[in-house]
Amino acid sequence: EIVLTQFPGTLSLSPGERATLSCRASQSVISSYLAWYQQKPGQAPRLLIYGASSRATGIPDRFSGSASGTDFTLTISRLEPEDFAVYYCQHYGSSPWEFTFGPGTKLDIK
Amino acid sequence: EVQLVESGGGLVQTGGSQRLSCAASGFTFTNYWMSWVRQAPGKGLEWVANIKHDGSGSYYVDSVKGRFTISRDDAKNSLYLQVNSLRAEDTAVYYCARYQWSVGAFDLWGQGTMVTVSS
Repeated sequence: EIVLTQFPGTLSLSPGERATLSCRASQSVISSYLAWYQQKPGQAPRLLIYGASSRATGIPDRFSGSASGTDFTLTISRLEPEDFAVYYCQHYGSSPWEFTFGPGTKLDIK
Repeated sequence: EVQLVESGGGLVQTGGSQRLSCAASGFTFTNYWMSWVRQAPGKGLEWVANIKHDGSGSYYVDSVKGRFTISRDDAKNSLYLQVNSLRAEDTAVYYCARYQWSVGAFDLWGQGTMVTVSS
């Protein structure tokens, strides 16, 4: 079973700064199935990145994703006030038809 | 407009049942696998169940196997989740989500419906 670990649990930064969020898989995974979501309080999650590095429709180019082996990174180049939210990575789990999410990283305003 | 709208949540007693619904619009429902994802209060996201685009197969997280049943009615463009033998730990917002295999991600989400299990 694939387990996703995200770190840090909370990241406190100021607008304009660069944010680097990490997601690590417990075993080799297929980057094509690694996605990132943003969730703001009281809202549904929103797809940001799919295939580890492709931005979903309408997502600003300050959001980028990368992969290195079992490590995945979401980078926000210059934080805007609306970027402060919780971010989740997701992949399929014990089979391609079952899915798993990481525990999330909360991005706080410093 | 492309959207998913859930309904059917509410307060239910421990051991009780509920049927959650999700109305899809603005896209060809039969082309997509559909899922339920839940979020307990103050917690992260948990995938609950999937159903294939043609309804020929369904999959569940271990904690709900034998208690929850996902189904779809393509004529009504609707997804359902029958939740039985509810436990306190099933208390959560339940989101309906569309799985897009071409991108390997959930690309469309509903606003969620809250299920509260109380004794």
